[in-house]
Amino acid sequence: DTAVSQTPKYLVTQMGNDKSIKCEQNLGHDTMYWYKQDSKKFLKIMFSYNNKELIINETVPNRFSPKSPDKAHLNLHINSLELGDSAVYFCASSQGNEQFFGPGTRLTVL
Amino acid sequence: KQEVTQIPAALSVPEGENLVLNCSFTDSAIYNLQWFRQDPGKGLTSLLLIQSSQREQTSGRLNASLDKSSGRSTLYIAASQPGDSATYLCAVTTGANNLFFGTGTRLTVIP
Repeated sequence: DTAVSQTPKYLVTQMGNDKSIKCEQNLGHDTMYWYKQDSKKFLKIMFSYNNKELIINETVPNRFSPKSPDKAHLNLHINSLELGDSAVYFCASSQGNEQFFGPGTRLTVL
Repeated sequence: KQEVTQIPAALSVPEGENLVLNCSFTDSAIYNLQWFRQDPGKGLTSLLLIQSSQREQTSGRLNASLDKSSGRSTLYIAASQPGDSATYLCAVTTGANNLFFGTGTRLTVIP
């Protein structure tokens, strides 16, 4: 199936741990994104990558770092997890200006 | 800074009714506007994309309009069905492909 996929779908972890969320797209898109959806369901962009170059970096803590090994992948690494990091994280990709979203990863920090 | 607002926050209608969801944005310098659907615990599905030069887009029972100068868009759903129950999000794209989302309208269609 052509799509944007994320793993894992659910992630439960203790405060202070380091975790990663993986994202892959097989749509051949040039740009990939990470969004955070908070408890109030508000979606906000965190990062985007275009041809392995970071082009947007909103005011997110530097504990969050995107890593793009190639054009089809944009992984999100989070260090020293905090309770406030609990949210749903969505990956997306685009070619042009229509974005396609992954199914989301629900992160719960205990 | 771009701000996107959706009203109402929640809407409940009986099956078969036509309905309109509203979206407004503060900065008219957009490239496009997208309407998404989000089902509980699921990802986002793109419904309609309207380029800044367009006034409307239609897909099946859905029709989205865009008035860029006034910073408004509407999503019209005809003959609503229980399967339409979901949260509907609008989002505008600005420079550098930055997508700004509204807070969504939670729609419930009652059988």
